[in-house]
Amino acid sequence: GAVVSQHPSWVICKSGTSVKIECRSLDFQATTMFWYRQFPKQSLMLMATSNEGSKATYEQGVEKDKFLINHASLTLSTLTVTSAHPEDSSFYICSVAGSGTDTQYFGPGTRLTVL
Amino acid sequence: QKEVEQDPGPLSVPEGAIVSLNCTYSNSAFQYFMWYRQYSRKGPELLMYTYSSGNKEDGRFTAQVDKSSKYISLFIRDSQPSDSATYLCAMSALGTGNQFYFGTGTSLTVIP
Repeated sequence: GAVVSQHPSWVICKSGTSVKIECRSLDFQATTMFWYRQFPKQSLMLMATSNEGSKATYEQGVEKDKFLINHASLTLSTLTVTSAHPEDSSFYICSVAGSGTDTQYFGPGTRLTVL
Repeated sequence: QKEVEQDPGPLSVPEGAIVSLNCTYSNSAFQYFMWYRQYSRKGPELLMYTYSSGNKEDGRFTAQVDKSSKYISLFIRDSQPSDSATYLCAMSALGTGNQFYFGTGTSLTVIP
C-alpha cells in the first residue's frame, strides 16, 4: 500500500491563530486526497475531497473559508485551519488515492489542540 | 438511517479466541468493502479489501461480504493482544477516488 506522512503529528496553538497541516504521499502520485476529522471515540468524518490542481470539494457543514485546502502537487496537500478555536481541537487525518490503487491509504493523523 | 451501522463495542476476548466483527449497510450500490485497523492516536491501517460479494482470507483475517443481506464481517482467528485496536468498516460505491462511508468502529481488547 501507499505510504502517507503527515506533519506535524501534534500541534498546540492559541485561539485565533492559524495552523497548517501537511499530508504527503511518499511513494506514489495521489490524484485525489481526502481530509477527515475524528473526535474521540467517534468515526472518521469526511471534511473535503481534493484533486490535484483543482479546488477542493467540501462536505456539507464544513466551512471552506475556515479549512483551507491546497492540493498543489501529486504528492502534497495542505489543510490550514484559520482562526482556530477550541472546538476545532480534533484529530485530523488525510488519505490518498490514485491510479493503480484500489482504496484509500491513510496518514498517521495530526492531533490539534487549540487553547 | 445511517449509511453504515457498526456496533461500537467495546469487545473483550481472551487471547486465542475467534473474533467476529460486523457491519450492516443500507446502500445497495456499495461494491467496495474495506476493513481498517486503528490503534489509539494513529491513522487507520488497511487490513482487508473486498470487491463485491464473497470471502477473502489473509493470514488470521477473513473478510466476508453478503450483498444480499447487506452485511459484512471480519473474522480474526487466534487473536493476539496486538490485535487490540478499533476496527472500522468502510464501503464505497465507486471505489478508489470516491467517497467512503465509515462505520463508527468497534473497540477490541484481547486479554493475554
